[in-house]
Amino acid sequence: NAGVTQTPKFQVLKTGQSMTLQCAQDMNHEYMSWYRQDPGMGLRLIHYSVGAGITDQGEVPNGYNVSRSTTEDFPLRLLSAAPSQTSVYFCASSRSSDSAQYFGPGTRLTVL
Amino acid sequence: SQQGEEDPQALSIQEGENATMNCSYKTSINNLQWYRQNSGRGLVHLILIRSNEREKHSGRLRVTLDTSKKSSSLLITASRAADTASYFCATDVESGYSTLTFGKGTMLLVSP
Repeated sequence: NAGVTQTPKFQVLKTGQSMTLQCAQDMNHEYMSWYRQDPGMGLRLIHYSVGAGITDQGEVPNGYNVSRSTTEDFPLRLLSAAPSQTSVYFCASSRSSDSAQYFGPGTRLTVL
Repeated sequence: SQQGEEDPQALSIQEGENATMNCSYKTSINNLQWYRQNSGRGLVHLILIRSNEREKHSGRLRVTLDTSKKSSSLLITASRAADTASYFCATDVESGYSTLTFGKGTMLLVSP
């Protein structure tokens, strides 16, 4: 099992550009989520999904979109990148919302 | 807003010593989880303790939960240099909002 994979590992964007961060898991987990991690802030939830076709907002959803067309994939879209979105982004999956989460290696995003 | 807060923010010990980290939270929980993050990597799940449990062990890890004080502690016995990492607690609140909320973490440095 590859577990949770994320691409790309690093990305530099200019303000206003859009992009999609990819996340995939091969553990047949229903629950997937996206977090951002900023220095001194811990992890903050952006969006999550409890199954294919079902998504909901987390603590900091503004500027991000998600969709869940399959169990395996949960892409995060930045609509119009802003310097405030410079962060490290982590995708995670789990069997359910109250079980252990498995994290991907992260994507380090810089917005200039 | 942070549900869980770790204390201390940073901890520096020698190999062989025990390390204790604490987590306090604000609202009733279903469970509390501890994660480890090595520098530049994704989070790794360590242990999950449910609200009706008081203590749990896993190898050199011991977690306690006091729901009356809304606090938990993580004890790492006989620390090794490889334990150097940031440690986060995460809570699954009882309200039904099916997500984990992470604290800001304790940075542990174990010197040889």
